[in-house]
Amino acid sequence: EDKVVQSPLSLVVHEGDTVTLNCSYEVTNFRSLLWYKQEKKAPTFLFMLTSSGIEKKSGRLSSILDKKELFSILNITATQTGDSAIYLCAVRLIQGAQKLVFGQGTRLTINP
Amino acid sequence: NAGVTQTPKFRILKIGQSMTLQCTQDMNHNYMYWYRQDPGMGLKLIYYSVGAGITDKGEVPNGYNVSRSTTEDFPLRLELAAPSQTSVYFCASSYPGQFDSYNEQFFGPGTRLTVL
Repeated sequence: EDKVVQSPLSLVVHEGDTVTLNCSYEVTNFRSLLWYKQEKKAPTFLFMLTSSGIEKKSGRLSSILDKKELFSILNITATQTGDSAIYLCAVRLIQGAQKLVFGQGTRLTINP
Repeated sequence: NAGVTQTPKFRILKIGQSMTLQCTQDMNHNYMYWYRQDPGMGLKLIYYSVGAGITDKGEVPNGYNVSRSTTEDFPLRLELAAPSQTSVYFCASSYPGQFDSYNEQFFGPGTRLTVL
């Protein structure tokens, strides 16, 4: 069975801290790994990673994939209260229709 | 463009009742998906469709049915509601992608369903 596991499940930090969120996976037919941010409602897309060792960056957020060890990390530097959200990791499989297998999410809370 | 719209926003059902969750997208996307998200959990794929007239099961299809008669609409039907179906339901859509490309899935705002 395809499985995606995120850790920690919950994290509370102070504004300005740096956080690292983890995502490991065991799937057949891996194609790519995606990170989403979910605030009050629907998830919004952050990154897609296909190749090992290539960092994707967007402002204070960055992510990297290790296909040998089957994991990815999402880093957020200089956190702000607006970063408070659930961060979801998902793996896209080679099968058609771009199906995604999601992890359980990390609930990140940034306190002022 | 409205994007992906879902109705209703909230619903309370009694055990054994039936209902249809509506999903419509105006982006002319071929692919559409239904997910459920239980409290504290990620999203699980219920059903998906690659085009009008074509549907297939995802990870957790039991207790649900879908149809896709048009490109725009992808309703999800619960026939005999059970407490285990209490969840938030998200519909999503995307363009088909080439092998090495990914076209983002756009999500609707969700329907919060409670079965008592």
